[in-house]
Amino acid sequence: DAGVTQSPTHLIKTRGQQVTLRCSPKSGHDTVSWYQQALGQGPQFIFQYYEEEERQRGNFPDRFSGHQFPNYSSELNVNALLLGDSALYLCASSYPQQGAFFGQGTRLTVV
Amino acid sequence: AQSVSQHNHHVILSEAASLELGCNYSYGGTVNLFWYVQYPGQHLQLLLKYFSGDPLVKGIKGFEAEFIKSKFSFNLRKPSVQWSDTAEYFCAVNANTGFQKLVFGTGTRLLVSP
Repeated sequence: DAGVTQSPTHLIKTRGQQVTLRCSPKSGHDTVSWYQQALGQGPQFIFQYYEEEERQRGNFPDRFSGHQFPNYSSELNVNALLLGDSALYLCASSYPQQGAFFGQGTRLTVV
Repeated sequence: AQSVSQHNHHVILSEAASLELGCNYSYGGTVNLFWYVQYPGQHLQLLLKYFSGDPLVKGIKGFEAEFIKSKFSFNLRKPSVQWSDTAEYFCAVNANTGFQKLVFGTGTRLLVSP
């Protein structure tokens, strides 16, 4: 049991559509980060949320946005989907000196 | 900017063989170091982590890693691998200043033959 839960597990969208992915962090964790993992690559950092604010952002366009709720859960939104957005999207929650714990991920396919 | 290099993309070993996976990072400041494992069909799991102190870190399932600061390395080792160690292994680093982003290497795919 990862402790971090993500939904949905799989998703197929058409180019130009918008998608929302959801994440519930491990109990006791207040920081949530999102990563994109393309096939054969390591995860790439998208952004991190803490106290309902975006604290850090990676090299991703503004089409990628997020939100954190008071219960620490988080959403990742991607607008105007491109074929290149097809990837595994990972959510990770963390707490000081514990490292990051990852969910199973959402496999997004854009057709 | 931080970067992580994993030199071995694919490794094939027989059961009971010893394992060493290389990881080098590039960053000028103090770092935290991690090894994650992704078994087929499963989520990324934390194998071990280094924040400070003893540079030889022991993790789960008999894995260990040694931080050599002068070489910017954090190699993963296991004396005797099992078939169940077949997985992809990722080295990651973040700056030791709060909740910094993790920077991952490209991963090493390990296949252990019975």
